[in-house]
Amino acid sequence: DTEVTQTPKHLVMGMTNKKSLKCEQHMGHRAMYWYKQKAKKPPELMFVYSYEKLSINESVPSRFSPECPNSSLLNLHLHALQPEDSALYLCASSQAGLATDTQYFGPGTRLTVL
Amino acid sequence: GQSLEQPSEVTAVEGAIVQINCTYQTSGFYGLSWYQQHDGGAPTFLSYNALDGLEETGRFSSFLSRSDSYGYLLLQELQMKDSASYFCAVLNTNAGKSTFGDGTTLTVKP
Repeated sequence: DTEVTQTPKHLVMGMTNKKSLKCEQHMGHRAMYWYKQKAKKPPELMFVYSYEKLSINESVPSRFSPECPNSSLLNLHLHALQPEDSALYLCASSQAGLATDTQYFGPGTRLTVL
Repeated sequence: GQSLEQPSEVTAVEGAIVQINCTYQTSGFYGLSWYQQHDGGAPTFLSYNALDGLEETGRFSSFLSRSDSYGYLLLQELQMKDSASYFCAVLNTNAGKSTFGDGTTLTVKP
């Protein structure tokens, strides 16, 4: 099983709303990632969790807040977003967070901020 | 920093062979990955090269030359379903860097 699941598939929110994106994997992977992808652009790394600890934050604004409750789950809490934050948010996981690992991506959450 | 260069678009006909090149500039290089992404879908892992040479997986092959900082993805016996974006990527995430090329849009025509 090489499946990463994400919910919801689509999300529309206002700039004052608070919402959360969820990601789950049951491959026993110990590294999980959040990426942001704008249309016709490559994925951009936002956060990396390795063994449930935040190991990388690529200077992401504080209106994005990641959380890793356990090794299978990854959340991204959203608050006071801007319209330019509208994008596809991708979750990925890999075995141990090493540079040689293969990253497996979920289907993404398409976020629209009004 | 890291940068990867790949062509923006490639067009080919069904049954043909196409090669998508990728040149990279990076520090701490471990290997080059290739991902496929259909419109509206998620990136799907295709291939990874850590060492020089050719890796073959069915109709897809990937090549790496570390001395030239260059790699390519070779797609054989093209099918319509191969129409997608293809990204090369350097995923040094344990060094805090994870970079994708801008992607190559492959269009396969009948």
